[in-house]
Amino acid sequence: GAVVSQHPSRVICKSGTSVKIECRSLDFQATTMFWYRQFPKQSLMLMATSNEGSKATYEQGVEKDKFLINHASLTLSTLTVTSAHPEDSSFYICSARDAASGGNTGELFFGEGSRLTVL
Amino acid sequence: GNSVTQMEGPVTLSEEAFLTINCTYTATGYPSLFWYVQYPGEGLQLLLKATKADDKGSNKGFEATYRKETTSFHLEKGSVQVSDSAVYFCALSDHGSGYALNFGKGTSLLVTP
Repeated sequence: GAVVSQHPSRVICKSGTSVKIECRSLDFQATTMFWYRQFPKQSLMLMATSNEGSKATYEQGVEKDKFLINHASLTLSTLTVTSAHPEDSSFYICSARDAASGGNTGELFFGEGSRLTVL
Repeated sequence: GNSVTQMEGPVTLSEEAFLTINCTYTATGYPSLFWYVQYPGEGLQLLLKATKADDKGSNKGFEATYRKETTSFHLEKGSVQVSDSAVYFCALSDHGSGYALNFGKGTSLLVTP
C-alpha cells in the first residue's frame, strides 16, 4: 500500500519556539493531505486540509496563524507550530489521499505521527 | 454534519472470545465507512472498509457490514488474539467533506491470554 512518512516522530521544544513537522508521501502523489491532532485517549481531530499549490483550509477553532501549513509539492506537506506553548503539546498526525489507488473510496494513508512536547 | 459514534472502551476480552465494537454514523450523503486500527506505538492502519450499503469489509478475521437502514458499521471478530490488542477507530468520509475522515472516539481493546 501507499506509504506516508512523518518526521520527526518526537520533538521537545521550549515554550515560544517554532517547530516544523514534515509529511511525505513516499510512493504516490498526494494532491490533498490532512493534518489531525490526537489528544490522549481521544479521537483524532481534523485540523486542516492541505491542498498542493493552494492555501490550506482550516477547521473551525484552529488558528491558522499558529498552525502554518504548506503543501508546496505533490509529495510534501509541512505543519509549523509557531510560538509553541505547553497546551500545544499533542500527537500530530498527517494523512494523504492517493487519488490513483484510493480513488473515490476516500481511503487515507497515515503517517506515524509526531509527538510534540512543549516545555 | 457528519459524525461517528462508537462504543466506549476499554474492552477487555479473553483470548478466543467474540468481539463486537458498535459504530453508528450520521451523514448527509452516501459516505464510505472505515475501521482503522492503532497498535501501541504505531500509526493508524486501515483495517477494512465498505463503500456502499450492504457491502461487507473484511480483513484479518475482522468483519463489518455497511447497514444503511440502521446507519451502522459494527466491527466483529469471531475469535480474538492477544495480538489484536489495540485501539480501533470507526470513521467515515464522503465527497462533501473533501474526503477528510471523521473519526469516532476510538475503542481500546485488551485481549488477555
